[in-house]
Amino acid sequence: QKEVEQNSGPLSVPEGAIASLNCTYSDRGSQSFFWYRQYSGKSPELIMSIYSNGDKEDGRFTAQLNKASQYVSLLIRDSQPSDSATYLCAVEDGNTGKLIFGQGTTLQVKP
Amino acid sequence: SAVISQKPSRDICQRGTSLTIQCQVDSQVTMMFWYRQQPGQSLTLIATANQGSEATYESGFVIDKFPISRPNLTFSTLTVSNMSPEDSSIYLCSVEDYRRGTANYGYTFGSGTRLTVV
Repeated sequence: QKEVEQNSGPLSVPEGAIASLNCTYSDRGSQSFFWYRQYSGKSPELIMSIYSNGDKEDGRFTAQLNKASQYVSLLIRDSQPSDSATYLCAVEDGNTGKLIFGQGTTLQVKP
Repeated sequence: SAVISQKPSRDICQRGTSLTIQCQVDSQVTMMFWYRQQPGQSLTLIATANQGSEATYESGFVIDKFPISRPNLTFSTLTVSNMSPEDSSIYLCSVEDYRRGTANYGYTFGSGTRLTVV
């Protein structure tokens, strides 16, 4: 069974701090990785996708991928209360191309 | 990115009845995906729908319970049949968006259908 693991949280950070969200995965054949944000009662929204080892930055968000260690992380700089949501890590199955989602980490940014 | 219109947004249904959920995409897509998100849980793939062929169901999901139609490249329906309270969930459709390998590659989701079975 291919798995994606996330700490469910909640992760609580003060406004303006860096939030660090982590995800590990079991499928060494996976090549594509995604971070989604889901506000309560809403559908998931794609924040970042990453395919290569290293960092990928987009505004206040940085995704980091380490395929050797099978982990992917998301850093949110200058966290805002509006960033409070559940963050879902998704990994594309290397054989089928289907997405496997982690349980999600709830982030709370306190003013 | 693709825009998906999903209907209904929510419904309360009696046990034993069926509900059909519709997803309309503003562009042609090869595959559409149907997910279930149970309360407080993450997303679980129900099936993949390709135009012109039978949907492919994941382990634990069967066609008799979740029949899917895919009449063209922009539309799909998921029916939840003979419902029980355990079917109370959010149901989401999704499509692959942008070209693989671009900075914006990913999967876009519909707004979801919140189903409550009483």
